[in-house]
Amino acid sequence: ETGVTQTPRHLVMGMTNKKSLKCEQHLGHNAMYWYKQSAKKPLELMFVYNFKEQTENNSVPSRFSPECPNSSHLFLHLHTLQPEDSALYLCASSQWSSSKGRTDTQYFGPGTRLTVL
Amino acid sequence: AQTVTQSQPEMSVQEAETVTLSCTYDTSENNYYLFWYKQPPSRQMILVIRQEAYKQQNATENRFSVNFQKAAKSFSLKISDSQLGDTAMYFCALGSARQLTFGSGTQLTVLP
Repeated sequence: ETGVTQTPRHLVMGMTNKKSLKCEQHLGHNAMYWYKQSAKKPLELMFVYNFKEQTENNSVPSRFSPECPNSSHLFLHLHTLQPEDSALYLCASSQWSSSKGRTDTQYFGPGTRLTVL
Repeated sequence: AQTVTQSQPEMSVQEAETVTLSCTYDTSENNYYLFWYKQPPSRQMILVIRQEAYKQQNATENRFSVNFQKAAKSFSLKISDSQLGDTAMYFCALGSARQLTFGSGTQLTVLP
């Protein structure tokens, strides 16, 4: 148990569906992240939120829409996905230090296994 | 741009033996963190060990230790007294100002 929870753990959706992934952290951190992990590929950073502000968007297609209503919750809204979007989606959180000018260790949730039919 | 390279896609080790996983990286920053994460079959990403670049002393966590060579930009992980539960994918990661850059991973199998 890392203090980061993700729901649902498994999701199967059609290409025309709309669904959302949820992440919640109980660590008091101020930064949250979405990663995509596909088979045979390194982890891909998708989005970064610092103090609820999106600071990174690594050229992610618009069919993925993040939302960070507060520093403890992070959502990933999905719509009109493609089969190649099937992957494990990992959420992480960390503490960003303005004095150090960097983020410390990231703690990961268990992931959501997404299958797009 | 930052890069992290793990040149060993797969490794195996006998139970109770010692194994070393390699990692090299490249960054233009002077102040950064290095991490080893493990991802067992459950897919939960778990922190194994953390090293701050400005610290010369190598980090140690129980059976896990690192050999950090800053000039060579090398960060290897040594696992002593390997246990069956150590079977997992191991990722080396470089932490800079705002994000982590991960290597491609090394699948370690501990054999009984």
